[in-house]
Amino acid sequence: EIVMTQSPATLSVSPGERVTLSCRASQSVSSNLAWYQQKPGQAPRLLIYGASTRATGIPARFSGSGSGTEFTLTISSLQSEDFAVYYCQQYNNWPPVFTFGPGTKVDIK
Amino acid sequence: EVQLVQSGAEVKKPGESLKISCKGSEYSFTSYWIGWVRQMPGKGLEWMGIIYPGDSDTRYSPSFQGQVTISADKSISTAYLQWSSLKASDTAMYYCARRERIVGATTFDYWGQGTLVTVSS
Repeated sequence: EIVMTQSPATLSVSPGERVTLSCRASQSVSSNLAWYQQKPGQAPRLLIYGASTRATGIPARFSGSGSGTEFTLTISSLQSEDFAVYYCQQYNNWPPVFTFGPGTKVDIK
Repeated sequence: EVQLVQSGAEVKKPGESLKISCKGSEYSFTSYWIGWVRQMPGKGLEWMGIIYPGDSDTRYSPSFQGQVTISADKSISTAYLQWSSLKASDTAMYYCARRERIVGATTFDYWGQGTLVTVSS
């Protein structure tokens, strides 16, 4: 079973700052890595899939990188609407198996 | 636009049974896997299982195998998550989500709004 870890658990930042979130897999997941954003009271929203491809409608300030076991989500200039919890997730093409990381909460400094 | 609409909040007693639903629209329901994800109060996301409505092929996370049953009725484009005997620890928000088909992108692209299940005596 693949275990996903994320760091830090919480990040306090000011609007306009650059933010870098980390995700690590216990074994290689190739590029089968997604990032989700979840705001309070809302369902998760897909931001990035394939480690680096933005989902439809996601602003260019969000970018993903990495492969194998180490991944990064970068928000180039944090906007007020970006304060949320961010989850990484590994996924298999076949059989369908999914594992989420514990999440990183980005809150206001 | 693709939509997944889930059934409303439920309040149940321990030992009761429950079936919640997720109705898909504006896409070919039988051609995409539908997954279920649990979120306990104040906690993270946990994948529970997934079903392919076209042939009802169902896979479960080891953590949820035997604890819940996932099914689908393709005639009404609806997937289900059910419990035969609820426990207080089943109190959570439950989300359904569609799995994208494109190889390399086979993760959850559209999500339902969530169904809050509260189990309390």
